Amino acid sequence: LAKTTQPISMDSYEGQEVNITCSHNNIATNDYITWYQQFPSQGPRFIIQGYKTKVTNEVASLFIPADRKSSTLSLPRVSLSDTAVYYCLSYSGAGSYQLTFGKGTKLSVIP
Amino acid sequence: DTGVSQDPRHKITKRGQNVTFRCDPISEHNRLYWYRQTLGQGPEFLTYFQNEAQLEKSRLLSDRFSAERPKGSFSTLEIQRTEQGDSAMYLCASSLAPRQYEQYFGPGTRLTVT
Repeated sequence: LAKTTQPISMDSYEGQEVNITCSHNNIATNDYITWYQQFPSQGPRFIIQGYKTKVTNEVASLFIPADRKSSTLSLPRVSLSDTAVYYCLSYSGAGSYQLTFGKGTKLSVIP
Repeated sequence: DTGVSQDPRHKITKRGQNVTFRCDPISEHNRLYWYRQTLGQGPEFLTYFQNEAQLEKSRLLSDRFSAERPKGSFSTLEIQRTEQGDSAMYLCASSLAPRQYEQYFGPGTRLTVT
């Protein structure tokens, strides 16, 4: 599975768009990129998954360029309730079902 | 759909004691996972079941740890002869093929070994 690297922390003001970038230089052909969100004292929650180009759902957008060596999670107009840890994970579509979490990015939204 | 539930939510035990945790996955989900999370770290995979079969185990899962999923429904994770290093949040998750990457996590059981 690809090793992912993301910033340890980020701050943003309420109402701004937040972009969290993750690098995964050794991503394999069968790997997908998945993002999870975790609030304190709760289990992680799935946000979005993608393979290439752009994916959008009601919560976020995920952009993965053609070389797939990085990805960017975009959160539109964040609010205080978006303060959480965001994990970028590679997920193999070829057999292993475990998720491999790193330390994640702690996003702090400031009023 | 009531989500994934775990019991107990908190457990304090003395070193050397055995503990058992229970996880009830989302009812139609055939895959169930156990993870462990320590402070400041992301969750670490421990083991995974498809129905009642335990298909994968991490090398983190020492022989003091055992997990079962009888009848392919709820699962239990037992830790024998607990050590202080076992103190962590134990998370359970479940998923349904083909979206096995979309895992639904429970609230976790926080274990403190004194």
